[in-house]
Amino acid sequence: GQQLNQSPQSMFIQEGEDVSMNCTSSSIFNTWLWYKQDPGEGPVLLIALYKAGELTSNGRLTAQFGITRKDSFLNISASIPSDVGIYFCAGSGGGADGLTFGKGTHLIIQP
Amino acid sequence: NAGVTQTPKFQVLKTGQSMTLQCAQDMNHEYMSWYRQDPGMGLRLIHYSVGAGITDQGEVPNGYNVSRSTTEDFPLRLLSAAPSQTSVYFCASAVAGGGTDTQYFGPGTRLTVL
Repeated sequence: GQQLNQSPQSMFIQEGEDVSMNCTSSSIFNTWLWYKQDPGEGPVLLIALYKAGELTSNGRLTAQFGITRKDSFLNISASIPSDVGIYFCAGSGGGADGLTFGKGTHLIIQP
Repeated sequence: NAGVTQTPKFQVLKTGQSMTLQCAQDMNHEYMSWYRQDPGMGLRLIHYSVGAGITDQGEVPNGYNVSRSTTEDFPLRLLSAAPSQTSVYFCASAVAGGGTDTQYFGPGTRLTVL
């Protein structure tokens, strides 16, 4: 099946730093999504990307749909303590058979 | 507006027991799905439904049954629980058609099979 490689696995950063994470796929996706999961909660949608080359922002978050349709990145600017959590990328071929998820990036903010 | 709700929040089963994980949504979404989340594995699709009366298998369907008798509810049944089914289970829903990719997740059910 389709596989997503998400990196890095974890990030240890200082408050105020910028963060960058990315996902690559072995196959083409029609949609890229970025989710954040807090401990004990379900994933919450941050940004959805529907077009190759699309660059979309949501507050301090910016994500891009790669031009090859096989990759996407998420940037977080000026990190704050509430940014701590696990970030997942997910891709869809556009059909009804659900999303393919990356394994997540653990974001840890050091005091 | 409750969104996607799941019950129970926690459950411990013995090997061979059966149970049903409940999922309900009040957003009138046609599309619903079940995922399991294991450490280091991300989320993997178990079953999904594009509307009442229609279900289909995802990536990891073995050991699980689903039904969709109403738009609102999408229960997941474990007929004979196994330790390999210890996991966190998430239900999700989405608007039908082109919006199936924007899925909204419930809070999860944490299942332990002894």
